[in-house]
Amino acid sequence: AQSVAQPEDQVNVAEGNPLTVKCTYSVSGNPYLFWYVQYPNRGLQFLLKYITGDNLVKGSYGFEAEFNKSQTSFHLKKPSALVSDSALYFCAVRAPDRYNQGGKLIFGQGTELSVKP
Amino acid sequence: DTGVSQDPRHKITKRGQNVTFRCDPISEHNRLYWYRQTLGQGPEFLTYFQNEAQLEKSRLLSDRFSAERPKGSFSTLEIQRTEQGDSAMYLCASSSNREYSGNTIYFGEGSWLTVV
Repeated sequence: AQSVAQPEDQVNVAEGNPLTVKCTYSVSGNPYLFWYVQYPNRGLQFLLKYITGDNLVKGSYGFEAEFNKSQTSFHLKKPSALVSDSALYFCAVRAPDRYNQGGKLIFGQGTELSVKP
Repeated sequence: DTGVSQDPRHKITKRGQNVTFRCDPISEHNRLYWYRQTLGQGPEFLTYFQNEAQLEKSRLLSDRFSAERPKGSFSTLEIQRTEQGDSAMYLCASSSNREYSGNTIYFGEGSWLTVV
């Protein structure tokens, strides 16, 4: 069964410093991995995804993520954090459904990122 | 291109009442998903449709919950005889299936339900 783990409930970073939000996954077959961000009382916004190809994926708002198959990880990174990056971040894996097509997303528990000035 | 639209955004209801949420997906998206999210948790899958066919339902979707997508466009999620444990945000999302598993799923702003 597919699963996602985000080992840190909260990450605190000073503005201007690099940030990393960790994610590990368990999946049978090829992993399709996603990151979403959620601001208070809002829905989820898509940041980036890994499907195949280059292990370093670039996404919205300067975020990037590195896919590491041997460590089954897909950590979210940003070289220089902004106060406005403070939000809840979710890692997710796409489970292929019985039609061998993209099925549901399975989410981690989320990591709250706090960037202080 | 408008995003996924959900209505109402907030609903307060008394225990035992029925509530219905509506979702309008991104146009031309043939897949539509419902999720539930409680405070401090990640979204939990409830069900999804391809066109008008309901392809999968979670065991979380008790017999008090029903979802429909009669014409393959908008969808409704109804909760009958609401309980306080139903208080959560209900998220709708949509995607196409042209790229199969690589498709991005886009979410709406959610519908908050408070059962008092």
